[in-house]
Amino acid sequence: DAGITQSPRHKVTETGTPVTLRCHQTENHRYMYWYRQDPGHGLRLIHYSYGVKDTDKGEVSDGYSVSRSKTEDFLLTLESATSSQTSVYFCAISPSSGSFRKSYNEQFFGPGTRLTVL
Amino acid sequence: LAKTTQPISMDSYEGQEVNITCSHNNIATNDYITWYQQFPSQGPRFIIQGYKTKVTNEVASLFIPADRKSSTLSLPRVSLSDTAVYYCLVVSFNKFYFGSGTKLNVKP
Repeated sequence: DAGITQSPRHKVTETGTPVTLRCHQTENHRYMYWYRQDPGHGLRLIHYSYGVKDTDKGEVSDGYSVSRSKTEDFLLTLESATSSQTSVYFCAISPSSGSFRKSYNEQFFGPGTRLTVL
Repeated sequence: LAKTTQPISMDSYEGQEVNITCSHNNIATNDYITWYQQFPSQGPRFIIQGYKTKVTNEVASLFIPADRKSSTLSLPRVSLSDTAVYYCLVVSFNKFYFGSGTKLNVKP
């Protein structure tokens, strides 16, 4: 999986609790992304990062926050988990290629985290 | 909006060529189109990307007509191991548009 690890791989939590998912890369890639994947919705972007401390929102960012304090780690936090956030979460990375358009498209995905909120 | 639309599913037989089309209106001239493959319980895997005419690599070809309103992923001589879900992605004006995926079922 292109030097990407996600932790935990599985998590069950209760509504209202905070949850943090970690994405770690060993590729030194500039761009990092968090997606969620749900049946019938495909992949939807939550947040992405274009550098250390530089992040932007995706289409489903409500209820999620992110942080990137160093190149290799991108954290996704659910401040107060809800049942609608039960999903499979994927982290992805992409290298800087001189064209941000090309960089954004050439993503390499981690193995995913299955989160269940009861 | 560059919403991406794909067929939900396709069937094929081993050895055939498979073409999967993604529709994407209103993309900018230099926006790339990318295709990914996903097996159950795994993350998507990058297959191919391009932004005009034709791109070919060792596993697939990508055809983009002049009007760029659609693109076609071509898989030559598919095998059973190509059974998977295929997604197109267009990133336009810093918005990420993943298609909902095409489930390809390759039969013996």
